[in-house]
Parts: sequence; C-alpha cells; structure tokens
Amino acid sequence: SQQGEEDPQALSIQEGENATMNCSYKTSINNLQWYRQNSGRGLVHLILIRSNEREKHSGRLRVTLDTSKKSSSLLITASRAADTASYFCATDEGNTDKLIFGTGTRLQVFP
Amino acid sequence: NAGVMQNPRHLVRRRGQEARLRCSPVKGHSHVYWYRQLPEEGLKFMVYLQKENIIDESGMPKERFSAEFPKEGPSILRIQQVVRGDSAAYFCASSPFSGAANTIYFGEGSWLTVV
Repeated sequence: SQQGEEDPQALSIQEGENATMNCSYKTSINNLQWYRQNSGRGLVHLILIRSNEREKHSGRLRVTLDTSKKSSSLLITASRAADTASYFCATDEGNTDKLIFGTGTRLQVFP
Repeated sequence: NAGVMQNPRHLVRRRGQEARLRCSPVKGHSHVYWYRQLPEEGLKFMVYLQKENIIDESGMPKERFSAEFPKEGPSILRIQQVVRGDSAAYFCASSPFSGAANTIYFGEGSWLTVV
C-alpha cells in the first residue's frame, strides 16, 4: 500500500528561490520522515518529525506537520543547483515497523 | 564507519536466471529492510528482517522472491526465474532498533536489468 502522496510531482525553480513540497498520508502515524535521492543513488535521510511536533528546522530545511490534515510540507530555502534531486516523504504506516514511501517530488534547480 | 553496503551495484540477467543481491548492514545494526524502486516511482516495501528471522514480508511477491538475514554474513534477496518486470533498483536499509520511529540508513542500491 502507498501511504504518502507528494505534490507536486515535479518542480523547477531558479537558484536562490524557495522550493516547497507537500506530502499527504492516510492513516495515523508516529512520525514522518523526508528523504532525498540523487539520480541513480540511494536515499539520504533529511529530517524526522514526530506526530507531536508541528515544525522542525535543519539548516535550509523547514518541515511542518499537520496531523489534523494528515499532511506535511518540506521547504528548502535559498535553493542551490546541488539541491536538484527527488524528495520523498515516508511514514510508519499504522504504527508498524516499516517505512512507507510516497511517490516523490522531482526538484530541478537551475543555476 | 562503513554505511550499508550493497553488491552488486549493477546486475544483468537473462529471463529465467537467478539474481542474488547482497546487503551488509551498518556494523551493529540487526534490522534490515529491502525496498524495490521502479523507474520514476517511489520505493515499495518488500521485506523486514532481523537476524535469522523474517518479521514482515507483506510486500514481497509470494513466488520467486525470498530473503534471508543469517546470523553471520550479509542479508540476501534472491529472485528466481527473473522476468522483465523484475527490472528495478533494489535498496537495502538497516537500523539498530526495531520500528520506523528511528532513522534507517540506505545503501546505494542494486540495479537489476533483465534482458
């Protein structure tokens, strides 16, 4: 089953602009995580936000979580060409031991 | 500190052959996950193992696919009699603890191409 759905599917911006990606999920969760994947590479963990948290920051990343709407957003500020990648949200579906990933947002940052 | 190591990185198999993908978790991690990623798609959960035990294989096809994580050695994902639809990237991840409440660490993946 697929838990998360990212929106938009693809996003193209210029360097220096902010990029916002959204993720919606279906069931209750304990936490939501965001991962980044460069083309042809593995996934890199970016940030984890727990269900009792509303906002979390890490460098240029800002993640929000709205459990009432079952949604999360990832904001990358002052984007760089090196931020070009696919970004996935993942949740612990139904409080199980596994992470369920969304379909991802492909971000392209033009220099 | 070595991360999750997967090999081979790229594997080409003819239809009907067997594919074996290996995963060495981060040292000290006893929880291993396997995911499959089709082109332009997200990761789909396949199986979750602890040492010598399969905990959750709900995402793994019932036929032709098997996984193990022995007491010694790497975790192995085995695909018998491969078909074109098995072409995908297979990712292994490991964690020191059970539960998805913790960060899991991914390998670089094994890209399987069935010709």
